[in-house]
Parts: sequence; C-alpha cells; structure tokens
Amino acid sequence: EPEVTQTPSHQVTQMGQEVILRCVPISNHLYFYWYRQILGQKVEFLVSFYNNEISEKSEIFDDQFSVERPDGSNFTLKIRSTKLEDSAMYFCASTREAGGGNTGELFFGEGSRLTVL
Amino acid sequence: GQNIDQPTEMTATEGAIVQINCTYQTSGFNGLFWYQQHAGEAPTFLSYNVLDGLEEKGRFSSFLSRSKGYSYLLLKELQMKDSASYLCAVRSNYGGSQGNLIFGKGTKLSVKP
Repeated sequence: EPEVTQTPSHQVTQMGQEVILRCVPISNHLYFYWYRQILGQKVEFLVSFYNNEISEKSEIFDDQFSVERPDGSNFTLKIRSTKLEDSAMYFCASTREAGGGNTGELFFGEGSRLTVL
Repeated sequence: GQNIDQPTEMTATEGAIVQINCTYQTSGFNGLFWYQQHAGEAPTFLSYNVLDGLEEKGRFSSFLSRSKGYSYLLLKELQMKDSASYLCAVRSNYGGSQGNLIFGKGTKLSVKP
C-alpha cells in the first residue's frame, strides 16, 4: 500500500541552526501539507502546497519557514534559525484532492521529531 | 474563527461501547473528520461526515448534526488496541480555503480490561 515517507525520523539541533525535513508524498497525490504537533498538544496546520506553490498557510508559518518541491517526488520543510519552541513532531500529509475530497482522507507520514536544544 | 471542543480524557472497559463528543464553531463548514492517533504515531483516518446523520464503518460510527455544530464518534466492542487519542477535525472552505483540516485537541481514550 502506498504511503507517505518522512526523513529524518528524529533530528536534534542547536538553537539558531537551520533544519530541513523531507517528505515523499504518495506518487499520484497532488496536494501536500505540513502539520506540526508540540508534545501533548493538538495537531496544527502549517501550510498546504499545490501546483508548485503555497496555496494556504497558517499564522504559525512565518518567514522562518519555507517549503519546496525540488523535484517530482520530494516535498521539504525548511526551518531557519530554529528556536526552542520549534521542538515538535512535524507531519507531512498528502491527498489526491483538496482537503481529502469526497473521501476526506489525508494520508499522514510517520512524522519527524525535531528537538531544539 | 474556528473552535473545536472535545473531552480531554475518557476511560472505558474492554467490550463496552464509548461515545466521544465533539462540538465545533467554524466558518464555511465542509466536513467533519475523526482520526485516531496512537502515542508517538501519525494520525490515521477513521471517518468523514459532510451531511447530517450516521456513518457506520465496522465497529466505528460517526454522527453529525450541522445545525447543532455537533458530532460524535461511537466505538463498539472496545478492544485494548483502541486505547489512543481520537481527534475531531473540521474542514473549512471559508474565504476560498482549499479545505485544510483544523484539529481539536483530541480525546485520550483508555480501555481497561
């Protein structure tokens, strides 16, 4: 069964460093998302991406963040100058239709845990 | 704005039935979703309601009342593996949104023997 894959599964970084989280969405999906979940808190929407551009972003997704689809398969989230409060699990998700379409299903990756020291 | 409320924690007994409620306030409602999330894992899709009524899928059912801004997830014949957090999420098409999901804080369900 096709799945969304994310790397790394866990990254530890020093405050102020840049990190890149990578995702390979399901191959025939068209809409891509990043969500984050701070430990013990709710899953929060960061950004959605369609047709090689950002289609929507939350207020969390400020200039510190950027996304890119550098080739036909990868979808990356870059966090510049990381802060302690960026420590969280970052989930990539993909779907064939916007917001999951008629089936409603977003397919999530297993997540990348980011720890900022 | 969006607001989603659900109980923080619930406990139930193996083999029993449990109902997890969710209330929401949103602009441009375009569907309500339930996801299951085991600790340290990704959310996995359980159900989707866009029209009023009950959707049944095996041991899990989900109900929606749009006029009341209310949904519930019903889990029957509880099993120990059902111990997880259950996330209520709303999709909005307000303001041309592409329908990104907004999640509630989740209800942590503990199933006891």
